[in-house]
Amino acid sequence: DAGVIQSPRHEVTEMGQEVTLRCKPISGHDYLFWYRQTMMRGLELLIYFNNNVPIDDSGMPEDRFSAKMPNASFSTLKIQPSEPRDSAVYFCASTILYRDSWNTEAFFGQGTRLTVV
Amino acid sequence: AQSVTQLDSQVPVFEEAPVELRCNYSSSVSVYLFWYVQYPNQGLQLLLKYLSGSTLVKGINGFEAEFNKSQTSFHLRKPSVHISDTAEYFCAVLNTGGFKTIFGAGTRLFVKA
Repeated sequence: DAGVIQSPRHEVTEMGQEVTLRCKPISGHDYLFWYRQTMMRGLELLIYFNNNVPIDDSGMPEDRFSAKMPNASFSTLKIQPSEPRDSAVYFCASTILYRDSWNTEAFFGQGTRLTVV
Repeated sequence: AQSVTQLDSQVPVFEEAPVELRCNYSSSVSVYLFWYVQYPNQGLQLLLKYLSGSTLVKGINGFEAEFNKSQTSFHLRKPSVHISDTAEYFCAVLNTGGFKTIFGAGTRLFVKA
C-alpha cells in the first residue's frame, strides 16, 4: 500500500477563497483523522470518522470548517471562507481497530501546507 | 481528560552523545503511550509504543522509552545520536477505552556535528 495520500502538498490561496484538502486513507482502515499542526498550538485533532461516519468533530475550530467522507477511500476537509489564521499544515491519518483494541498506531500522510494570504 | 507535557521544546546535542526527551502525561484511566517522529516536510511516523508488560520499550532507529507509572512519565532515550536523528519528536497518549490520540507539543532535536 502507498500509505495515506494527501493532496495537494502545498496550497496558497487568498483570504476569502474556498480551500479543499483531500485524503486517501490506507485501504482497509476504518478510522480516519484530520489534524492541524501550527507552531502555536501544536498538533490538534479536528475531526475523526469511523466507517465513513463523523464521530467527533469537537476539534473543528468554527463553522467555516467542514469535513466529509463520502466513501471508505476518500475524505475532504473544506475551509470556506479561508482566513490567514487558517495557515497551517493539515494532516490526515488512518488506522484500523482490531477486536476493540486500540493498540495500533495511526499512519499519517505527508500533510498539506496551507498558506492563506 | 488526558494531557501530555513535553518538557523541552528544543534539545541541541552533539553527534554520538546520549539524549533523553522527556514526556509526562496525566490521565484518570489507563493509557497507551506512543512516541512519533516527524522529519522535515514529512508526516509523523511511529517510533515505539507502550501497551502493557515490560516498562522498557525498544523502537526503531535505536530509540527506547521507559514507562514509569508512579511518575506518569514516558521518556525517550538514545545512547548515541546521529545527524540523521534531527527531527521533531512527539509523545502521545491514548486512553484504553477511547478513540482520540492526544499529542504533546513536540520536542525539536538538533544533532550537531
